[in-house]
Amino acid sequence: GESVGLHLPTLSVQEGDNSIINCAYSNSASDYFIWYKQESGKGPQFIIDIRSNMDKRQGQRVTVLLNKTVKHLSLQIAATQPGDSAVYFCAEKGTGGGNKLTFGTGTQLKVEL
Amino acid sequence: GAVVSQHPSWVICKSGTSVKIECRSLDFQATTMFWYRQFPKQSLMLMATSNEGSKATYEQGVEKDKFLINHASLTLSTLTVTSAHPEDSSFYICSARGELAGVYEQYFGPGTRLTVT
Repeated sequence: GESVGLHLPTLSVQEGDNSIINCAYSNSASDYFIWYKQESGKGPQFIIDIRSNMDKRQGQRVTVLLNKTVKHLSLQIAATQPGDSAVYFCAEKGTGGGNKLTFGTGTQLKVEL
Repeated sequence: GAVVSQHPSWVICKSGTSVKIECRSLDFQATTMFWYRQFPKQSLMLMATSNEGSKATYEQGVEKDKFLINHASLTLSTLTVTSAHPEDSSFYICSARGELAGVYEQYFGPGTRLTVT
C-alpha cells in the first residue's frame, strides 16, 4: 500500500549544528506535504509545508526540500537548539481519499549540549 | 494560543467501561474533524473523519461500534470508546479543519491519554 516513511528513527546533533531529517514517500499522486513537530505528550505542531509544484520552501530556521523524482522530502533545521528536541513527522496529502493526511513513522531528534 | 482543545487531557478507566473524549475548535468553525490514535513511539494513525451533521467515515480496521464519533456542531466532536479494554490504551488526538484568520488549515489538538486498567 501507499506509505510515507522516514530513513532514521533517531538523530542526535550538537547544539548549534544543522539538522537534516529525511522522509521517503511512495504515493506519486501526493501534492501537498507537511512537517510536524511533536513534543512528548503533546499534539503535532505545524512547522512548514510545501506543495508539489515547488522544490524548496524556507521558514524561520527551517527549510523543506522536495525531490519528486525520487519521492524524497527533507527538513533542515539551522542552528539546532535544545528546544528543537522532539519527534518530527512528515505527512502527505493526496488528491483523493478525502484529503486525509498520512503520517510517516517519525524521527526522534535529540539535541546534545 | 491553542486553536483546538481536547478534554480530558488524560483519563484512567476500568476495563469494560466507556470513555468520552471531547474535541473543540476555538474561534473557528471546523467543517471536518479527524480522530487519530497514537501508540507509544509510533506514528499517528487516522481512525475516522467526520463532517458536521453526517456520519463519520471510519478507516479500515477501525470498529465503528466501538469508537463512536459524534460531530454535532461545527465546533465540537466527541469520541466515545465503548467497553474499553487495556489494548485501547493509547494517545488519542483530534484535528479540526476550517478557516481561521483567512487561512484554511488543519489544526491539531493536544491529545488525550487514555489508560484502561
